[in-house]
Amino acid sequence: DADVTQTPRNRITKTGKRIMLECSQTKGHDRMYWYRQDPGLGLRLIYYSFDVKDINKGEISDGYSVSRQAQAKFSLSLESAIPNQTALYFCATSDGSSNYGYTFGSGTRLTVV
Amino acid sequence: GQQLNQSPQSMFIQEGEDVSMNCTSSSIFNTWLWYKQDPGEGPVLLIALYKAGELTPNGRLTAQFGITRKDSFLNISASIPSDVGIYFCAGQGGSNYKLTFGKGTLLTVNP
Repeated sequence: DADVTQTPRNRITKTGKRIMLECSQTKGHDRMYWYRQDPGLGLRLIYYSFDVKDINKGEISDGYSVSRQAQAKFSLSLESAIPNQTALYFCATSDGSSNYGYTFGSGTRLTVV
Repeated sequence: GQQLNQSPQSMFIQEGEDVSMNCTSSSIFNTWLWYKQDPGEGPVLLIALYKAGELTPNGRLTAQFGITRKDSFLNISASIPSDVGIYFCAGQGGSNYKLTFGKGTLLTVNP
């Protein structure tokens, strides 16, 4: 099993629908992140959480919300999806006590029509 | 906030050629990391650098932590088709270990 699992892998949804992307990890890491990837724009941080009671906005949080249900679970919601939220979404985890970088999930490809 | 300038944005090379890419920043970083993203997958850590001037190999890949701590370089020797993907640099400069990512270099290798 993967260390960081994202579900679903692919999703097509209609404008205005609420959608949730889920992330779970078996790394035992306290820190979790949601990124969005668009061609030519790299990885942009949406939200991050340093522990279960800590939620922080990233650089592009408008239109998104998150929930940290447990140390191992971090969900990203689009309350009312719009076409320009079509992108590849990645969850990542890290151990805040080291410099060993992030572990990424395989991504969710979201298309809003 | 901190920003990383990664170049080139894309590269098209022939199999067997060597490749160089780099990242620069106006801020000092304590750690530099290089990731590779295969098509349809998430980024995977290739090399981590912790000390200014450090040169670290990983097979045909070599990464360097710039002496000024504001830049890093990744070299790939004798490229092969499976080197195709997006390469990201990332820097860590604060006490909270949060990373700043470059925009990526898309590498295409023609067999």
